[in-house]
Amino acid sequence: EDKVVQSPLSLVVHEGDTVTLNCSYEVTNFRSLLWYKQEKKAPTFLFMLTSSGIEKKSGRLSSILDKKELFSILNITATQTGDSAVYLCAVEARDNYGQNFVFGPGTRLSVLP
Amino acid sequence: AAGVIQSPRHLIKEKRETATLKCYPIPRHDTVYWYQQGPGQDPQFLISFYEKMQSDKGSIPDRFSAQQFSDYHSELNMSSLELGDSALYFCASSRIRGQGNYGYTFGSGTRLTVV
Repeated sequence: EDKVVQSPLSLVVHEGDTVTLNCSYEVTNFRSLLWYKQEKKAPTFLFMLTSSGIEKKSGRLSSILDKKELFSILNITATQTGDSAVYLCAVEARDNYGQNFVFGPGTRLSVLP
Repeated sequence: AAGVIQSPRHLIKEKRETATLKCYPIPRHDTVYWYQQGPGQDPQFLISFYEKMQSDKGSIPDRFSAQQFSDYHSELNMSSLELGDSALYFCASSRIRGQGNYGYTFGSGTRLTVV
């Protein structure tokens, strides 16, 4: 059964701290891993990772994928209160029905002033 | 552990037909959210229900309607389908009552293809 696990489930830090969010997965026919930020309604796309060892960066956020060890990390440096959100990891796989997205439970990040 | 169940997994319809997508939330979750994700796009929030009442409305077309039933499962009804309705439709559930809004859990989606 396809599975995505995120840790920690909840994290509280102060502004300026650096955080690392973890996502591990077990899926058949892996295609890509996606990170989303969810604040209120719809998730906002952050990164899509398909290749191992290539870091993707966007401002203070960066992410990398290890397809051998089946995990990804999302780093946020110099956190701000606006980074408070649930961060979702999703893995896109292919099964008999076609594309299949498996979401992790999310990491709730709270950044205190 | 039980997850959010969506059915069907894949649906092919012709233009102007109707479609019904179903979502079964995690037991004891009281809130259901529907999202539409087109190819290469962010998920777009459509509508949500809390305790069987519509709680929030996003970019849901008038041709679509949804409801949450007494067992908390939800159905998204789509009529007069258009080619542009082809997308992945996600459902998520969470528990709000008494605990704050925590832990959206997503289903694996229904892929709708309109031909």
